[in-house]
Amino acid sequence: QSALTQPASVSGSPGQSITISCTGTSSDVGGYNYVSWYQQHPGKAPKVMIYDVSNRPSGVSDRFSGSKSGNTASLTISGLQAEDEADYYCGSYRSGSALVFGGGTKLTVL
Amino acid sequence: QVQLQESGPGLVKPSETLSLTCTVSAYSISSDYYWGWIRQSPGRGLEWIGNVYHSGSTYYNPSLQSRVTISVDTSNNQFSLKLTSVTAADTAVYYCARTGSFGSGGFDYWGQGALVTVSS
Repeated sequence: QSALTQPASVSGSPGQSITISCTGTSSDVGGYNYVSWYQQHPGKAPKVMIYDVSNRPSGVSDRFSGSKSGNTASLTISGLQAEDEADYYCGSYRSGSALVFGGGTKLTVL
Repeated sequence: QVQLQESGPGLVKPSETLSLTCTVSAYSISSDYYWGWIRQSPGRGLEWIGNVYHSGSTYYNPSLQSRVTISVDTSNNQFSLKLTSVTAADTAVYYCARTGSFGSGGFDYWGQGALVTVSS
């Protein structure tokens, strides 16, 4: 089962905005509005930051936003802060009653 | 606050069966959510293993399906994972988590993770 494609790393300076992409196919990202994004700090469990493409759970900063165009979903973090430095994973429903994650993106705050 | 806690052996021998249990607190597993297992090999990304519904319906990663069984025990508010014929490649941190209607809502509550090492 092939993973969704994410860049291995992205970086930005405090206050800037960054975008992480997540590319799949019409059988997953492009075919359903069930894309989620997770933040993971070292040694910790992942935390959902965005669900169903663009919805933010209660308690998650509005600096985090999600979108989708075709087979590619995106996570944007605005007003970058040091605490945002973490690994980020996308996840999507895939036809055939399966779920799939991306390979992960390491965000470095310079 | 919903809490999930993984438990089980931290060391499993090659070719044997890995068994983990997830105990759910502050929420009835019989309510309308799916319960899943996700693993993360050292220094690697997340891999979905499978989900179970309180009715017992299961959904598995096709790449693991031949070796995986996920079951639910509503009387003890737990669900379990069994992975047979393990190899070193199955060494990972195993997480249990809750998700909404299949695929929707993402995994909103996670356990802290249980490291399972496959070694003789």
